[in-house]
Amino acid sequence: QQKVQQSPESLTVSEGAMASLNCTFSDGTSNNFRWYRQHSAKGLEVLVSIFSDGEKEEGRFTAHLNRANLHVSLHIREPQPSDSAVYLCAVSMISNNRIFFGDGTQLVVKP
Amino acid sequence: EAAVTQSPRNKVAVTGGKVTLSCNQTNNHNNMYWYRQDTGHGLRLIHYSYGAGSTEKGDIPDGYKASRPSQENFSLILELATPSQTSVYFCASGDAVSNERLFFGHGTKLSVL
Repeated sequence: QQKVQQSPESLTVSEGAMASLNCTFSDGTSNNFRWYRQHSAKGLEVLVSIFSDGEKEEGRFTAHLNRANLHVSLHIREPQPSDSAVYLCAVSMISNNRIFFGDGTQLVVKP
Repeated sequence: EAAVTQSPRNKVAVTGGKVTLSCNQTNNHNNMYWYRQDTGHGLRLIHYSYGAGSTEKGDIPDGYKASRPSQENFSLILELATPSQTSVYFCASGDAVSNERLFFGHGTKLSVL
């Protein structure tokens, strides 16, 4: 079964400094990758979706995918205190119509 | 924008009681999902559905049943609630064609005493 692991578990950055989150997955045949954000005990909102190797930018959020290394990352440019939340990596497999989530990274952005 | 509505938002139940969590989506999505979220475990899939009348077991289905009476509605049923089922439950809907993004409800906080 697909295993999705995120690191670090928690991250504190200063406002304006780049924040970088990592996600590794075990099955190289995975198809779609998404980063979601969750503000405390609320629903999840998708930030960026990426389907092929390389980079995908959505505003201040950039995802990098490297299938060979089984790695997808999220970089947040100029983070703000309102970006403080849990960030979840989601890996989709069309072969079995399943979506697997990592345990999340808790991001704190200090003013 | 897609809308997924869960009810209730908060629920306190007694051990051994029956609990029904409801989810409604207005996106006409085929797929619907029930997850629970616990500290240290992330999101874990309980049941999912490909359309009206269908329910499938996820990764942790024991102690839960699901019902999909229509395209819009997907319920999670705890016939005999236990304290270990205290958690936050999320419903989501998604398009079946490309395994695309999921749209989540705001969650239901369930406490079983």
